[in-house]
Amino acid sequence: SYVLTQPPSVSVAPGQTARITCGGNNIGSKSVHWYQQKPGQAPVLVVYDDSDRPSGIPERFSGSNSGNTATLTISRVEAGDEADYYCQVWDSSSDQVFGGGTKLTVL
Amino acid sequence: QITLKESGPTLVKPTQTLTLTCTFSGFSLSTSGVGVGWIRQPPGKALEWLALIYWDDDKRYSPSLKSRLTITKDTSKNQVVLTMTNMDPVDTATYYCAHTSYGGGYYFDYWGQGTLVTVSS
Repeated sequence: SYVLTQPPSVSVAPGQTARITCGGNNIGSKSVHWYQQKPGQAPVLVVYDDSDRPSGIPERFSGSNSGNTATLTISRVEAGDEADYYCQVWDSSSDQVFGGGTKLTVL
Repeated sequence: QITLKESGPTLVKPTQTLTLTCTFSGFSLSTSGVGVGWIRQPPGKALEWLALIYWDDDKRYSPSLKSRLTITKDTSKNQVVLTMTNMDPVDTATYYCAHTSYGGGYYFDYWGQGTLVTVSS
């Protein structure tokens, strides 16, 4: 089965840049999607197909994907960005797969 | 405007079968490329994909839960139903349904609010 590995936590000061990674075997050959989930709320899609943003998502959210690592980058981090972030891909053996999630803390 | 809402029991006993209904609006499950999926999240844990049904009635299941899951759709009612057999306390979770769109791969772009299901005797 295909496994996506995320760091459990990332901390960043307001105004700085947060980078959340998602590791997987040859993940660069797959399309990666990212979700933000705040406490008590449903997940929200923030990046799809590696680097596209749904309407309404700030340009501060961007994504990249190459080799064995995909990255969600949040520029000029705000207190409101504090949340759990999940990556997701489709794999031929596992179908839909989610990463274990990363808790972003804004210091 | 696309909306989805999950409904079903909040409490089930071990060994019982869980039936959840996702009622949606703002799209048709007969439109090419559209799908509806189920994802769950145990308290304090990560998201776990369960099942997905596509516009053409193609059905996909999590390999680890495939033997326990059945997903169906009723296009006329705008509903998708998930059944999970032989429920266990470890199946206690918030269950979400979500609309899928396709780009380079399928992603979940609209989510329901989720429904918490507790498995306990």
